[in-house]
Amino acid sequence: RKEVEQDPGPFNVPEGATVAFNCTYSNSASQSFFWYRQDCRKEPKLLMSVYSSGNEDGRFTAQLNRASQYISLLIRDSKLSDSATYLCVVMGNFNKFYFGSGTKLNVKP
Amino acid sequence: ETGVTQSPTHLIKTRGQQVTLRCSSQSGHNTVSWYQQALGQGPQFIFQYYREEENGRGNFPPRFSGLQFPNYSSELNVNALELDDSALYLCASSFDSNPSPLHFGNGTRLTVT
Repeated sequence: RKEVEQDPGPFNVPEGATVAFNCTYSNSASQSFFWYRQDCRKEPKLLMSVYSSGNEDGRFTAQLNRASQYISLLIRDSKLSDSATYLCVVMGNFNKFYFGSGTKLNVKP
Repeated sequence: ETGVTQSPTHLIKTRGQQVTLRCSSQSGHNTVSWYQQALGQGPQFIFQYYREEENGRGNFPPRFSGLQFPNYSSELNVNALELDDSALYLCASSFDSNPSPLHFGNGTRLTVT
């Protein structure tokens, strides 16, 4: 079983839509959680950390459910520039980071 | 504050050759980790260096090796290249405090023919 699993998508949504991605992780001892964004042929960039209480950054909201071992990312009022691959990242033991395969988002005009 | 820099950006090698990739960590960061990202996949952890020693390794064979220098820069060496080694190689730096997000370099795109 993979450490981190994501729906690869693609999610094709119109501008202005709300879209949500989920990610599950296998190691219940995982310490920290992040969402990264990766544009085509570029390096991943940190979008936001995910805190136990949930957190929001503008149009982006991240939630963590430790009991069910999943993380979610909600994007409101989607913009064309949100089109990218979103990577779920979990930090396990010994500061090792495990990446999901990514969920591709296409925002259409 | 300088970010993570990697060199070269692109590289073409033939099967059986050896390659060295280089990474300079972001200022203030003392931990460097290397990832391999095949097309359509997420980055896969190769190994991590902290204070010049390897302190974590993923499921990669011994022909993948590395170094970290006193200034925290790092090298990834791959011997006996195989076609499947073609990928984007990403270096990330972080500070050893917990939790500490990763900051990636632009990557080196390696093609093995």
